[in-house]
Amino acid sequence: DTEVTQTPKHLVMGMTNKKSLKCEQHMGHRAMYWYKQKAKKPPELMFVYSYEKLSINESVPSRFSPECPNSSLLNLHLHALQPEDSALYLCASSQVPTGPGELFFGEGSRLTVL
Amino acid sequence: KQEVTQIPAALSVPEGENLVLNCSFTDSAIYNLQWFRQDPGKGLTSLLLIQSSQREQTSGRLNASLDKSSGRSTLYIAASQPGDSATYLCAAYNQAGTALIFGKGTTLSVSS
Repeated sequence: DTEVTQTPKHLVMGMTNKKSLKCEQHMGHRAMYWYKQKAKKPPELMFVYSYEKLSINESVPSRFSPECPNSSLLNLHLHALQPEDSALYLCASSQVPTGPGELFFGEGSRLTVL
Repeated sequence: KQEVTQIPAALSVPEGENLVLNCSFTDSAIYNLQWFRQDPGKGLTSLLLIQSSQREQTSGRLNASLDKSSGRSTLYIAASQPGDSATYLCAAYNQAGTALIFGKGTTLSVSS
């Protein structure tokens, strides 16, 4: 099973709302990632968790708050977002935190901020 | 800082043609390189992973090569089909080996 599951698939929220994106994998991977992808652009790294600890934060605004409750789950908590935060949010996992692990991506959560 | 460039940005071919997608990277000390496919509005599907010690990998009609000395990788698609229409992304690890850096992709359209 090489599956990364993301929920919800679509999310519409106002700028004052609080919502969360969820990601789950059961491949025993110990590294999990959040990427952000704007339309017609490549994915951009946001956060990396290695053995359930935050190892990389690519200077992401604090209105995005990641959480890794256990080795299978990754959340992205959203609060006071801006319309420019509308994008496809992709979760990925890999077997090891550093190369040469293969990354497996989920289908993404399409976020629209009104 | 690792930078990844893909050429061409878009490509249209008739069904049955063999084609090559190009990827170049700035830091030759890469851990590995991965090719992905992305359909519109969807997530990324891993196609091929080439480890730094390898020269090429094959999966079905796909063949990816890696030349670290020149900082280049190519994805060869044989006998293209309309179902191959998608955006193909090349990604190489950053210098710390902690995360993949993506090129902007090549959008392929195969007509029947």
